[in-house]
Amino acid sequence: KQEVTQIPAALSVPEGENLVLNCSFTDSAIYNLQWFRQDPGKGLTSLLLIQSSQREQTSGRLNASLDKSSGRSTLYIAASQPGDSATYLCAAKAAGNKLTFGGGTRVLVKP
Amino acid sequence: SAVISQKPSRDICQRGTSLTIQCQVDSQVTMMFWYRQQPGQSLTLIATANQGSEATYESGFVIDKFPISRPNLTFSTLTVSNMSPEDSSIYLCSGKGLAGVPQETQYFGPGTRLLVL
Repeated sequence: KQEVTQIPAALSVPEGENLVLNCSFTDSAIYNLQWFRQDPGKGLTSLLLIQSSQREQTSGRLNASLDKSSGRSTLYIAASQPGDSATYLCAAKAAGNKLTFGGGTRVLVKP
Repeated sequence: SAVISQKPSRDICQRGTSLTIQCQVDSQVTMMFWYRQQPGQSLTLIATANQGSEATYESGFVIDKFPISRPNLTFSTLTVSNMSPEDSSIYLCSGKGLAGVPQETQYFGPGTRLLVL
């Protein structure tokens, strides 16, 4: 059974610092891994999707890496801004259609 | 991208009653899902909504408690039946398989916040 863990559960940084969010999964037989952002009252927004054959994906200030052999993914957010404050969730997809979500990291970027 | 809306956005219900949540996608998607997010926890998949046939439920979820309909490629409903306070949660609708975007990208609605007294 796949288990996805995100540490730390919460993170507070001053504006301008780079953010590093960690995600680990127990079953390396994944098809892809997605990172989402969840804002209060607004559901989830897909940020990046990394296929199992890929090592990283980049979108603007966001970069996500994937190391299947070690069961880890990392989301980097460069030059953080107060608008980056949200909860970030990673989710691993194995065979079938089920996404297994981590518990999330709640991020606060202080001006 | 796809825009997914849900109705109602929130509700307060009495135990023993039922609530039907509607999910509307602005584009056709091949797959739709229903998730639950209990207070302080992450998302758990309830079921995959299949067009024109019975939904596929995950372990721990049954059709009698969470009947689901999906009459077409853009609409689905989830009913939370015979509610108890333990059903207090956020219920999220999701879709993927949108034409013109990576098929694995999954979109989520804003969620329905349910409180059962």
